[in-house]
Amino acid sequence: AQSVTQPDIHITVSEGASLELRCNYSYGATPYLFWYVQSPGQGLQLLLKYFSGDTLVQGIKGFEAEFKRSQSSFNLRKPSVHWSDAAEYFCAVNTGNQFYFGTGTSLTVIP
Amino acid sequence: SQTIHQWPATLVQPVGSPLSLECTVEGTSNPNLYWYRQAAGRGLQLLFYSVGIGQISSEVPQNLSASRPQDRQFILSSKKLLLSDSGFYLCAWSIDDTEAFFGQGTRLTVV
Repeated sequence: AQSVTQPDIHITVSEGASLELRCNYSYGATPYLFWYVQSPGQGLQLLLKYFSGDTLVQGIKGFEAEFKRSQSSFNLRKPSVHWSDAAEYFCAVNTGNQFYFGTGTSLTVIP
Repeated sequence: SQTIHQWPATLVQPVGSPLSLECTVEGTSNPNLYWYRQAAGRGLQLLFYSVGIGQISSEVPQNLSASRPQDRQFILSSKKLLLSDSGFYLCAWSIDDTEAFFGQGTRLTVV
């Protein structure tokens, strides 16, 4: 069965520091891969997505993610975090009609 | 442009009472529709998805049911709420597998 793992439940970084959020998936083929962000009490907003081609994808708000087939990973990165990036981040896969999400990583940004 | 409406935004219901959450999509036809539940520390759990009117697939057995009486309407229901039904419920839609668009969610508290 397909699954998405986000091993880091909570991450704290200083403003201006770099960020990497980890995501691993389990699926027989290469699924469509996504990163979403959720502000408290709100719905989810798409940051970026990967379907095929260049394994480094750029998203909104300065985020990027790299697909590594050999590691079944799709890690999210940002070179310099802003205080407004504090939120919950979800990795997701689509295996045909269904979107499956990881358990999320909560990001705290300290001044 | 497409929009998704989900209501109510918050709901407090006693144990044993019925539930009806509604989600409607505008600006698109024949979308795939989804209901997710988000519980603290557990990420987004896919509850139901629908690829067409009257077509409902359930991901997990539980105290909830879903219906799609019209192309762009998706309803989440329960006959008798349990305490464990508390959570944040999110409706989403997609046309293909390239992105899921989320509503603003309903915070349900069962007391």
